[in-house]
Amino acid sequence: DAGITQSPRYKITETGRQVTLMCHQTWSHSYMFWYRQDLGHGLRLIYYSAAADITDKGEVPDGYVVSRSKTENFPLTLESATRSQTSVYFCASSNAQGYNSPLHFGNGTRLTVT
Amino acid sequence: GEDVEQSLFLSVREGDSSVINCTYTDSSSTYLYWYKQEPGAGLQLLTYIFSNMDMKQDQRLTVLLNKKDKHLSLRIADTQTGDSAIYFCAEPRSGGATNKLIFGTGTLLAVQP
Repeated sequence: DAGITQSPRYKITETGRQVTLMCHQTWSHSYMFWYRQDLGHGLRLIYYSAAADITDKGEVPDGYVVSRSKTENFPLTLESATRSQTSVYFCASSNAQGYNSPLHFGNGTRLTVT
Repeated sequence: GEDVEQSLFLSVREGDSSVINCTYTDSSSTYLYWYKQEPGAGLQLLTYIFSNMDMKQDQRLTVLLNKKDKHLSLRIADTQTGDSAIYFCAEPRSGGATNKLIFGTGTLLAVQP
């Protein structure tokens, strides 16, 4: 049961560079989400997807791009990284919506933008 | 406001009870969640409560819901060092075809031996 995996686990990049965070799930869950975790802000939703080729903006989408060409993958791209995007990024998935369909989280990617 | 709010930090002694509080925003939420995050890991679902319930008990966990005040609390009885973690409350918000789960700011629970 591989579940949901994120890569890389840690990433350091420079301001202005493009960086892509990967997320892969083996459950064929329809719904996938990207959150960022920052002290004092908790988790904030960046983007989400209801199915392949269907994506939508969350609370803090500026500076990020997502795609979902396959159900199992949901990469998050920072087109031109800024220091304010230094954070821990979590990918999550669920098979349906409702109280009995909780989110399953990956272990996160810690991104540092210098 | 738009934010789901929690106090940032709680310290208790092993064996005591812990109470973590949350103020949510959407009075129409039909259910609410508590998630737990252990160090270096993602979040895991701890428990949930329906909005038509005032209380839910699950072993050492008790969830209390005050809909009038939009206040949710999580009580952990006989707190153990293994309970040390960050605890998040979360509420679903509808948005087009997808319910988004909005998380609180998280409460770091430190259990002293």
